[in-house]
Amino acid sequence: GAGVSQSPSNKVTEKGKDVELRCDPISGHTALYWYRQSLGQGLEFLIYFQGNSAPDKSGLPSDRFSAERTGGSVSTLTIQRTQQEDSAVYLCASSSLGGGETQYFGPGTRLLVL
Amino acid sequence: AQSVTQLDSQVPVFEEAPVELRCNYSSSVSVYLFWYVQYPNQGLQLLLKYLSGSTLVKSINGFEAEFNKSQTSFHLRKPSVHISDTAEYFCAVNGGNKLVFGAGTILRVKS
Repeated sequence: GAGVSQSPSNKVTEKGKDVELRCDPISGHTALYWYRQSLGQGLEFLIYFQGNSAPDKSGLPSDRFSAERTGGSVSTLTIQRTQQEDSAVYLCASSSLGGGETQYFGPGTRLLVL
Repeated sequence: AQSVTQLDSQVPVFEEAPVELRCNYSSSVSVYLFWYVQYPNQGLQLLLKYLSGSTLVKSINGFEAEFNKSQTSFHLRKPSVHISDTAEYFCAVNGGNKLVFGAGTILRVKS
């Protein structure tokens, strides 16, 4: 079946602009994760959604970052007033449950803030 | 809190030679361990995982890893590498609602 998809694949924006990144998880997966991959910081957890539970936002680096998951499926990660240090690859993953279940990753969105 | 240490940032190796990518973890709870591979300009792909049971786990393309609780290690091995194995490899441990990743090891296979 189809894997995790993300859009756009690449995004170039100017400092101070807002951006929205989209993730379509694998159908039927109840858990959805966002990670950020950058040169200096490696792979960092951002946020976790599980069903209708309150999301785990413990990895969001600042209040400029937010995410939603509508209808238990598609998720949008929004970065407001982007800064150059936000430049990174944003990866989305989904799993059939939470916890130790295998996470399947999308191809990522490469964000460049000028 | 969980953490993962990948001791080598880069490992160069000749084609058909054996390779070991080292991974050590720290965790105060039962662990699930994963190796993911990232080919250039692609996302992360699961290579293999340890959840429970046999401590030796294998992938379909010849990699294997052994969970060693006493040494808190999950090293990745392959007896004979191919050029196509050139990629970055990430070790990860479950940390509550998320995966905690190591810094990654770039495997460069030379002909």
